[in-house]
Amino acid sequence: NAGVTQTPKFRVLKTGQSMTLLCAQDMNHEYMYWYRQDPGMGLRLIHYSVGEGTTAKGEVPDGYNVSRLKKQNFLLGLESAAPSQTSVYFCASLSSGINEQFFGPGTRLTVL
Amino acid sequence: GQQVMQIPQYQHVQEGEDFTTYCNSSTTLSNIQWYKQRPGGHPVFLIQLVKSGEVKKQKRLTFQFGEAKKNSSLHITATQTTDVGTYFCAGPGSNTGKLIFGQGTTLQVKP
Repeated sequence: NAGVTQTPKFRVLKTGQSMTLLCAQDMNHEYMYWYRQDPGMGLRLIHYSVGEGTTAKGEVPDGYNVSRLKKQNFLLGLESAAPSQTSVYFCASLSSGINEQFFGPGTRLTVL
Repeated sequence: GQQVMQIPQYQHVQEGEDFTTYCNSSTTLSNIQWYKQRPGGHPVFLIQLVKSGEVKKQKRLTFQFGEAKKNSSLHITATQTTDVGTYFCAGPGSNTGKLIFGQGTTLQVKP
């Protein structure tokens, strides 16, 4: 099992550009999450999904959109990137029967 | 809204010294989890505490859940350089499936 994978690992964007981050999990988990991590801010929840076809807003959803068309995939989109979105993005998944969240390796995004 | 606070934010210790990080929630928690993130890595689950007053040990790590289920601590005895990283506590949010993370405590260990 690969666990949770994220693509790409690194990306540099110019202000106003768009991009999609892909998260995939092969553990058949119901819940999936997108977090951003900034120095001194811990992990802040952007959006999450409790099942295929469902999404919900987290603490910092503005400027991001998500989709969960397939159970194993959770996409995070930036429609018009801003320098404030420079961060490390982590995806995670969770089985409803166990509370442990499994994290992907992260995507380091820089917006110039 | 619900908040989970951790102190201290940073801690530098000499190898062999003890280390403690504290976690406080603004609301009563049904459980609390602890994660460790090595430098450049991703958070990895360490443990979950569920019962009031619960104490669990993993080798040199001791985890406690407060009697009121609003606070928790992680204590490391005789730190080693392998303990370096950021330790996060996390508690369930108000909505199903949500987890609220503390800001983390970053531990540096001088050999």
